[in-house]
Amino acid sequence: NAGVMQNPRHLVRRRGQEARLRCSPMKGHSHVYWYRQLPEEGLKFMVYLQKENIIDESGMPKERFSAEFPKEGPSILRIQQVVRGDSAAYFCASSSTAYNQPQHFGDGTRLSIL
Amino acid sequence: GESVGLHLPTLSVQEGDNSIINCAYSNSASDYFIWYKQESGKGPQFIIDIRSNMDKRQGQRVTVLLNKTVKHLSLQIAATQPGDSAVYFCAEAVTSGSRLTFGEGTQLTVNP
Repeated sequence: NAGVMQNPRHLVRRRGQEARLRCSPMKGHSHVYWYRQLPEEGLKFMVYLQKENIIDESGMPKERFSAEFPKEGPSILRIQQVVRGDSAAYFCASSSTAYNQPQHFGDGTRLSIL
Repeated sequence: GESVGLHLPTLSVQEGDNSIINCAYSNSASDYFIWYKQESGKGPQFIIDIRSNMDKRQGQRVTVLLNKTVKHLSLQIAATQPGDSAVYFCAEAVTSGSRLTFGEGTQLTVNP
């Protein structure tokens, strides 16, 4: 099954530590999107990337958050100096093209901050 | 059974009934719409999509209706099954960008 793969599925960090979330898109997909979901809420867009390029980061917090999608390897969402409010489910999606094509989602990383 | 999106976030139906889940979208520039199903502990699962040049599209047991005049989207599920129990989200996008904007979701519960 070549679905969107995210790891780890669960991640626990203490306040002030760094969190790294990984996403491997579906085979043949070159567009990657990250979304955040708080309990009982819908998904909120964070960032859209293509290989080696950030296309739209309008949903990313200005500080502590960064994302990359290198030429080789998975996309990485990095959160530095985590705080309690960063606790959420982080979902990655991929698509084959940018426009009018469905985004397919992974099962997410549940981030818990102690 | 029928829900009206944000005001009635839960919908309970009997197995075998038809379900209708509604969604009001906000951006008149949106021209691509998707319905997702999300089960507990999992990511959103694509159900069906529709472009703004259409007002109806059918899949297996599901139909999506789009009314651009009132900015309304609905998902109809025929012969609802217990396995259909989940949270259903509508999402919208504009052609000039690819970010999805999600609605807040409707919890569908199917009673056997």
